[in-house]
Amino acid sequence: SQTIHQWPATLVQPVGSPLSLECTVEGTSNPNLYWYRQAAGRGLQLLFYSVGIGQISSEVPQNLSASRPQDRQFILSSKKLLLSDSGFYLCAWRPGGAEAFFGQGTRLTVV
Amino acid sequence: GQSLEQPSEVTAVEGAIVQINCTYQTSGFYGLSWYQQHDGGAPTFLSYNALDGLEETGRFSSFLSRSDSYGYLLLQELQMKDSASYFCAVSNQAGTALIFGKGTTLSVSS
Repeated sequence: SQTIHQWPATLVQPVGSPLSLECTVEGTSNPNLYWYRQAAGRGLQLLFYSVGIGQISSEVPQNLSASRPQDRQFILSSKKLLLSDSGFYLCAWRPGGAEAFFGQGTRLTVV
Repeated sequence: GQSLEQPSEVTAVEGAIVQINCTYQTSGFYGLSWYQQHDGGAPTFLSYNALDGLEETGRFSSFLSRSDSYGYLLLQELQMKDSASYFCAVSNQAGTALIFGKGTTLSVSS
């Protein structure tokens, strides 16, 4: 069966520090991969999505970037975190159909 | 661009029926889906409509009218555990951006 792994679960980082969040999917090939951010009590904001290795689409220009170095690996990065980058980051994959499967999320606090 | 509108909050009592509406604007349309998210957790898939009509999955049903760019999620026989946030989401094409609404917080009381 397919599973999605996202880590770490929680992270506290100082302003100006770099960020790297990793997401991997098992049990499938060529999944569509997504990064979302959710501020406290708010909706899910789509940050990036990818339909294949090296193919990244950005929905919101900002302080973050994404990469897909391998078929089932999706990485979210920042060179210098801002306070406004705090939030709940969710990775998801979709096999091309209707349903998206989410990882358990990373709660990032920038201090 | 794409946008979705849904009510921010809905309250109901156990055993009741509640309907959460969603209207959308999108440059193309592939389908409308619904997700549930409990506090602190990840969203989980509930239902999907690609064509007009009603889809039923147990206590939950979802409806779509493509001509009205409108859908709803119907929750029947409400239980306390149904207290959560509910999101509608659209994609304009298979395998592309999946855009979520801002979510509706459902509070079920006894």
